[in-house]
Amino acid sequence: KNQVEQSPQSLIILEGKNCTLQCNYTVSPFSNLRWYKQDTGRGPVSLTIMTFSENTKSNGRYTATLDADTKQSSLHITASQLSDSASYICVVRVGYAGGTSYGKLTFGQGTILTVHP
Amino acid sequence: GAVVSQHPSWVICKSGTSVKIECRSLDFQATTMFWYRQFPKQSLMLMATSNEGSKATYEQGVEKDKFLINHASLTLSTLTVTSAHPEDSSFYICSGSGTGGGYEQYFGPGTRLTVT
Repeated sequence: KNQVEQSPQSLIILEGKNCTLQCNYTVSPFSNLRWYKQDTGRGPVSLTIMTFSENTKSNGRYTATLDADTKQSSLHITASQLSDSASYICVVRVGYAGGTSYGKLTFGQGTILTVHP
Repeated sequence: GAVVSQHPSWVICKSGTSVKIECRSLDFQATTMFWYRQFPKQSLMLMATSNEGSKATYEQGVEKDKFLINHASLTLSTLTVTSAHPEDSSFYICSGSGTGGGYEQYFGPGTRLTVT
């Protein structure tokens, strides 16, 4: 069964500090992995997207890594800001050989990040 | 990036009534649109997938007669919750994918539905 698991479930850090969120997946076949930021009461906004051949991708203070062998990804946030407080969701897309599941997204439960001043 | 809008952003309706939610792709043609629902502190759950001009494909456990989906144009899809009940209260999010947006799914801002 295709699954995406994230840890920790929630995280509290002080403004200016760094943090790393983890994502493990069992989705097969794999197409790509995305990290989204979802503010409360809003839709998800894409931060990064990585394919099988990409190990790391940055978007400003956000850096995502992907290890396709161990099926793990991480999202590192540097110099956190109060506006980083949100839910961060790891999402894996099913690849072409997935039959009727091709293109479907499997969502993790999200990590709720709270940044305190 | 591609923009998807939803209307209304929040709606309150009485039990037994129907409510329609619109999803529009503003700067690309969404050949495929997806409808999700999200309960508090849970992740998004796919309800249905619709291709323009075709009937929607519903996920297992989603009542197609209760959640009516129309995707009549490349920029507009609607979700109608019929005979709404309090348990239908949720956050409904649509996303669009298609030409101009590639195969990336672009999410709308969501609609908060409260059934009293």
